[in-house]
Amino acid sequence: GQSLEQPSEVTAVEGAIVQINCTYQTSGFYGLSWYQQHDGGAPTFLSYNALDGLEETGRFSSFLSRSDSYGYLLLQELQMKDSASYFCAVRAGSARQLTFGSGTQLTVLP
Amino acid sequence: IAGITQAPTSQILAAGRRMTLRCTQDMRHNAMYWYRQDLGLGLRLIHYSNTAGTTGKGEVPDGYSVSRANTDDFPLTLASAVPSQTSVYFCASSDSAGGPDTQYFGPGTRLTVL
Repeated sequence: GQSLEQPSEVTAVEGAIVQINCTYQTSGFYGLSWYQQHDGGAPTFLSYNALDGLEETGRFSSFLSRSDSYGYLLLQELQMKDSASYFCAVRAGSARQLTFGSGTQLTVLP
Repeated sequence: IAGITQAPTSQILAAGRRMTLRCTQDMRHNAMYWYRQDLGLGLRLIHYSNTAGTTGKGEVPDGYSVSRANTDDFPLTLASAVPSQTSVYFCASSDSAGGPDTQYFGPGTRLTVL
């Protein structure tokens, strides 16, 4: 099966940079995704890494190291609206199902 | 264009009752999923369907059943609800044509079983 570990909570101030780490154990790794979920809302897709390296999308970047079974989500120029839960998720093998981590609650302080 | 709709938005249900959560997507995605989300446990996959006419079991399928008669609809049925099924249920879909397997989520159904 698959398992993922990520910190339960992270706090940072507005304008800062924060990194949310994710380590995973899986067979037949295919890719690592990140989703954002605001309180009471639906998860929304942020980024996906299938190969080693950094993917940048505006203020958000995601990194993957397949050899270390490790990835992170980097949020720059934090804004209050970034306060949310962030989930990493792995796709293993040819199946399209995702296994999600337990989520990291990010709180951005003024 | 609505994306994914779920109904009802919330429901309080007596234990032992049968309940069907509805999910409809208008994106013509091949794959659909049902997750439950409990505090501190993230999203756990209940059942999935890679294409109309096929379904599969996820991580926590017991007590739930699904059907996929067409591309757009993917209802989730609780045959005899129990209090441990109190949760927020999310339906999602993805396009199997390739790419990053982005899943699009519905707004969720908050279910309380008493």
